[in-house]
Amino acid sequence: EAGVTQSPTHLIKTRGQQATLRCSPISGHTSVYWYQQALGLGLQFLLWYDEGEERNRGNFPPRFSGRQFPNYSSELNVNALELEDSALYLCASSSTGGLVEQYFGPGTRLTVT
Amino acid sequence: GQQLNQSPQSMFIQEGEDVSMNCTSSSIFNTWLWYKQDPGEGPVLLIALYKAGELTSNGRLTAQFGITRKDSFLNISASIPSDVGIYFCAGLPFEDDKIIFGKGTRLHILP
Repeated sequence: EAGVTQSPTHLIKTRGQQATLRCSPISGHTSVYWYQQALGLGLQFLLWYDEGEERNRGNFPPRFSGRQFPNYSSELNVNALELEDSALYLCASSSTGGLVEQYFGPGTRLTVT
Repeated sequence: GQQLNQSPQSMFIQEGEDVSMNCTSSSIFNTWLWYKQDPGEGPVLLIALYKAGELTSNGRLTAQFGITRKDSFLNISASIPSDVGIYFCAGLPFEDDKIIFGKGTRLHILP
């Protein structure tokens, strides 16, 4: 069974641009979570989508947004990129309500120059 | 907001040694979790703890949910080279549906 997949693996953008990151959950999982992992920091919760709806949001500005599609895949959009947005962005999936049993993808490394 | 203080930040040990790391918080948590992250990969759940005082093992790994609900520790016995990586503690608060992560303990094993 395929795990969580993310694309692209690496993304380089300049300040002020927009970035779009994609995530495909494990088959049968309906929840998708996004996390930011900046260098030297733990994972910071960004967003939680379940059944197409945003269920919870972390302490990030509105320029971090996303959506979940009918096939449960998800997009994370970051507008007006800032240098400090450079980080590894991890996506995780779980079955509905399974906050604990989250399975992580390998991440997208976003570099803002 | 809730924060987890994880220590130590990094450890350098000899193969075969036992390892101990812990996580503390000023807040109480409903669930404590321990993850391991290998280079280039996402974290993988090692152990989940659901009850205060609970002691759970997974092979050479043992973790405990502190009785006050504000702390947890992870022990690794007889370390081997594949134990190298970053270990994260994480907690699920009672009043919020998001997992809070510690900053990680980076484990190095000396040859």
